[in-house]
Amino acid sequence: GAGVSQSPSNKVTEKGKDVELRCDPISGHTALYWYRQSLGQGLEFLIYFQGNSAPDKSGLPSDRFSAERTGGSVSTLTIQRTQQEDSAVYLCASSATGIQDEQYFGPGTRLTVT
Amino acid sequence: GDSVTQMEGPVTLSEEAFLTINCTYTATGYPSLFWYVQYPGEGLQLLLKATKADDKGSNKGFEATYRKETTSFHLEKGSVQVSDSAVYFCALSDRITGKLIFGQGTTLQVKP
Repeated sequence: GAGVSQSPSNKVTEKGKDVELRCDPISGHTALYWYRQSLGQGLEFLIYFQGNSAPDKSGLPSDRFSAERTGGSVSTLTIQRTQQEDSAVYLCASSATGIQDEQYFGPGTRLTVT
Repeated sequence: GDSVTQMEGPVTLSEEAFLTINCTYTATGYPSLFWYVQYPGEGLQLLLKATKADDKGSNKGFEATYRKETTSFHLEKGSVQVSDSAVYFCALSDRITGKLIFGQGTTLQVKP
């Protein structure tokens, strides 16, 4: 079946602009995670969804970052007023139930802020 | 908080050499442990996992044993191939949310 998909695959934006990153998880997976991979910080957790609710937002680096999930499926990560330090690869993963299940990762969105 | 520490890379080996990548963790309770691999130009893939103490995860010739007494989960392979060249990440899973906490990654380069 289809894996986790993310769009766009690459995004170049100017500093100060808003961006939206999309994640389509594997069908039927209730848990969805966003991570960020950058040279300086490695792989960092951003936010966790169980269904449409986000019980753990502890990894969001500032209030410029927000995310939502609708219909227990698609998720959108929004970054407002982008800064150069936001440049990274944003990864989405889903798992069947969340706890101790294997997480399946999407290919990522490479965000470059100029 | 929970954390994972991996040996620094890059690790450069000749084909058929023995591989060990060290990983230790700090966690409350007993998390599940994972090794993920990222091949050049590809996404993260689960390589193997272990969910409780003394469990051994294995896949594609790689093995790792969950050692509670030393809080370690070292990755080993008896004979590496050029195709094993990749970045390897050790991770633990938070027992409440399942979120993964990753080590910094170790780059492996295998030369023919």
